[in-house]
Amino acid sequence: GIQVEQSPPDLILQEGANSTLRCNFSDSVNNLQWFHQNPWGQLINLFYIPSGTKQNGRLSATTVATERYSLLYISSSQTTDSGVYFCAVGDVYGNKLVFGAGTILRVKS
Amino acid sequence: NAGVTQTPKFQVLKTGQSMTLQCAQDMNHNSMYWYRQDPGMGLRLIYYSASEGTTDKGEVPNGYNVSRLNKREFSLRLESAAPSQTSVYFCASKVGRGSREKLFFGSGTQLSVL
Repeated sequence: GIQVEQSPPDLILQEGANSTLRCNFSDSVNNLQWFHQNPWGQLINLFYIPSGTKQNGRLSATTVATERYSLLYISSSQTTDSGVYFCAVGDVYGNKLVFGAGTILRVKS
Repeated sequence: NAGVTQTPKFQVLKTGQSMTLQCAQDMNHNSMYWYRQDPGMGLRLIYYSASEGTTDKGEVPNGYNVSRLNKREFSLRLESAAPSQTSVYFCASKVGRGSREKLFFGSGTQLSVL
């Protein structure tokens, strides 16, 4: 099955700093999503991005499908950005999303 | 509009006991999922239901059963709990396809099997 690797596993930032999280996947995908899990465990969709670039406020994501990676950019980080960021990939129907192990982000004030 | 509701939030079981995790969504979604989350491993799909009346295995179905009782409810049953099933369990439902696809997660159930 598809393998998903995320890096770095852990990241500590000072408030206001920028960061880039990476997701590598082992096979062609038609579905790639980024999620944020806050420190209380709640999971929220950030992006559906099997290819191309999207932006939502301070967050943006780029997927280069031909090279099998995706990047999540966080600019001007805030303490509320802390949590775990997951990349998940799957087929076009998305019924079997495979999650990476996540990147734990801690933003210090 | 409560979204996806899971019960219970916490549960402690002894090895061999059985229990059912309940999940309900009020968004009229067809697809529902059960995941488990273990430290350092992300979320792994246990079972899913693409529509009312259908269920399919995910990555780690062994030791679990599911029931899609109706469009709203999707329950997960552990018939004989084992310590390896200690985990945080998430239920989710999905709306849309392709670029309109979005998963909605419940708040999770922390299960400890002693």
